[in-house]
Amino acid sequence: AQKITQTQPGMFVQEKEAVTLDCTYDTSDPSYGLFWYKQPSSGEMIFLIYQGSYDQQNATEGRYSLNFQKARKSANLVISASQLGDSAMYFCAMREGGYSSASKIIFGSGTRLSIRP
Amino acid sequence: DGGITQSPKYLFRKEGQNVTLSCEQNLNHDAMYWYRQDPGQGLRLIYYSQIVNDFQKGDIAEGYSVSREKKESFPLTVTSAQKNPTAFYLCASSIDRKFPYEQYFGPGTRLTVT
Repeated sequence: AQKITQTQPGMFVQEKEAVTLDCTYDTSDPSYGLFWYKQPSSGEMIFLIYQGSYDQQNATEGRYSLNFQKARKSANLVISASQLGDSAMYFCAMREGGYSSASKIIFGSGTRLSIRP
Repeated sequence: DGGITQSPKYLFRKEGQNVTLSCEQNLNHDAMYWYRQDPGQGLRLIYYSQIVNDFQKGDIAEGYSVSREKKESFPLTVTSAQKNPTAFYLCASSIDRKFPYEQYFGPGTRLTVT
């Protein structure tokens, strides 16, 4: 069964607009972490933001914020004031397990974001 | 500068040959990972290692082998048993005992087998 689901294979957004990339997840573990990564056309994966299952507030990192809705098991990435350089693939990922060990991270299938000038 | 290096960036091999992809990190990270990415797809975990001389199979380990003799190095061998080896391979590392264990990635190796 899919543990991480990204339902938007591709999105087009006008420069300077905000954009929301959807991510839903499935786990029965009460301790888990959610990540978003950016992959430009060059191929490297860039870590953007993290949200822990016990975090009370939504994570923010500059123009990136994570809209965490625990009951709905969703962890959407919001990019404010999009820029041309934001054009890339975006992956949602989840790590199950608590603080004691670095268990493996599972990735979604990704969303290709294209910013129009 | 600390980081993860993967070499070469592009690799071409004939079918039936084993090929080893290099991954080196100088971040002093305990855990290292190998992923495979096919065009338009997400990442799938091949193998991971949380400590020297120990490693675990990921979701698609068949046809691959790894070793972890040094903390800095985690080479991946794509054997002739791997049915569809042409793909983009990404190596990553993370600090095992520092939450939230985000992974840092190398630039990747694009392997083409003909």
